[in-house]
Amino acid sequence: KAGVTQTPRYLIKTRGQQVTLSCSPISGHRSVSWYQQTPGQGLQFLFEYFSETQRNKGNFPGRFSGRQFSNSRSEMNVSTLELGDSALYLCASSPTGGASLEAFFGQGTRLTVV
Amino acid sequence: AQSVSQHNHHVILSEAASLELGCNYSYGGTVNLFWYVQYPGQHLQLLLKYFSGDPLVKGIKGFEAEFIKSKFSFNLRKPSVQWSDTAEYFCAVKPGSSYKLIFGSGTRLLVRP
Repeated sequence: KAGVTQTPRYLIKTRGQQVTLSCSPISGHRSVSWYQQTPGQGLQFLFEYFSETQRNKGNFPGRFSGRQFSNSRSEMNVSTLELGDSALYLCASSPTGGASLEAFFGQGTRLTVV
Repeated sequence: AQSVSQHNHHVILSEAASLELGCNYSYGGTVNLFWYVQYPGQHLQLLLKYFSGDPLVKGIKGFEAEFIKSKFSFNLRKPSVQWSDTAEYFCAVKPGSSYKLIFGSGTRLLVRP
């Protein structure tokens, strides 16, 4: 069974640009979550989607947005990039996202903003 | 605000030493608790989880953790570490029926051969 796939693995963008990251969950998983990992702030929750609906959102500015498609694949978008957006962005999938269910993580997309 | 604290940011041990990593959370209701590990260059993987029942849970690779509700703690233990346990370890909490994981800041473990 293939794991969670994130593309691209690495990105370099300039301040002010926008970026779109992609996540393909494990087959059959309908919940997709996104996390930002930085050395200073650690792992922080961005948002969670289930059946194309956002169920939870973390404390990030509106520049961070996401969506989920009918095949459960998800994208996240960051507009007007800032230097502080440089981070490893992790996607996790789960069958339903239920509280007792583990999340399976992808290898992440390393975003560098210059 | 809900938070997770991991007390040790860096731990250095020799092979065969015992390991205990502390984790405390702040949330008064029902929680589901997880320990994840991130080996160098690899993705986060689940070590073990607790959601109900026996507070002593066993995970992969000889790891175990004990949930002590009165102390809001979920400490990770391993009786004898190996060089291959060198990694970063994250404690995480899912409060109540939440769909999000709240992570601790992580503990970097270095095991010297």
